[in-house]
Amino acid sequence: GENVEQHPSTLSVQEGDSAVIKCTYSDSASNYFPWYKQELGKGPQLIIDIRSNVGEKKDQRIAVTLNKTAKHFSLHITETQPEDSAVYFCAAAGNQFYFGTGTSLTVIP
Amino acid sequence: DGGITQSPKYLFRKEGQNVTLSCEQNLNHDAMYWYRQDPGQGLRLIYYSQIVNDFQKGDIAEGYSVSREKKESFPLTVTSAQKNPTAFYLCASSRQGAINQPQHFGDGTRLSIL
Repeated sequence: GENVEQHPSTLSVQEGDSAVIKCTYSDSASNYFPWYKQELGKGPQLIIDIRSNVGEKKDQRIAVTLNKTAKHFSLHITETQPEDSAVYFCAAAGNQFYFGTGTSLTVIP
Repeated sequence: DGGITQSPKYLFRKEGQNVTLSCEQNLNHDAMYWYRQDPGQGLRLIYYSQIVNDFQKGDIAEGYSVSREKKESFPLTVTSAQKNPTAFYLCASSRQGAINQPQHFGDGTRLSIL
């Protein structure tokens, strides 16, 4: 089955700096790559997604890039704010969703 | 507002007891899913259902059972056969059974052993 690896597991940045989270996947059949934000005690919320026919997608301060050849995709958050602090999960979807192990992001005011 | 409602938020299980976690959605989604979340691990799929009266096992179905009698509802039963049930359980739904549809999650049920 699919294997999704996510790095780093924890990330601390100063407010206003950028944060980058990277994921790799193993199954070339995966064609959908969503990113989720999970706050304490809540369920994951979809923040951005990308499909395999697109290399990059941006939504305000959040962007995702996909390199299908290398089988990796990344989440970029610019101008970070304290409310960006949360756990972020990537996922790769082929015949089902496979999730990364999460990155705990802390934005220091 | 449309969404997914999971209840209860916290649940305690005694030895040898079956417990049922509720999941209701009013998004008119066809597909529903149950995941288990453990500290430091990603979400792992327990069961999923693409249509009423049909469901399939996920990667960690042993010790769990589900039913899908209504489109809106997908309850999960944690049976006494599940020896390590302590976890955060998440229910999700998506518009269709196709895998490249976004999944929308509820706020989870935290299950603990007494």
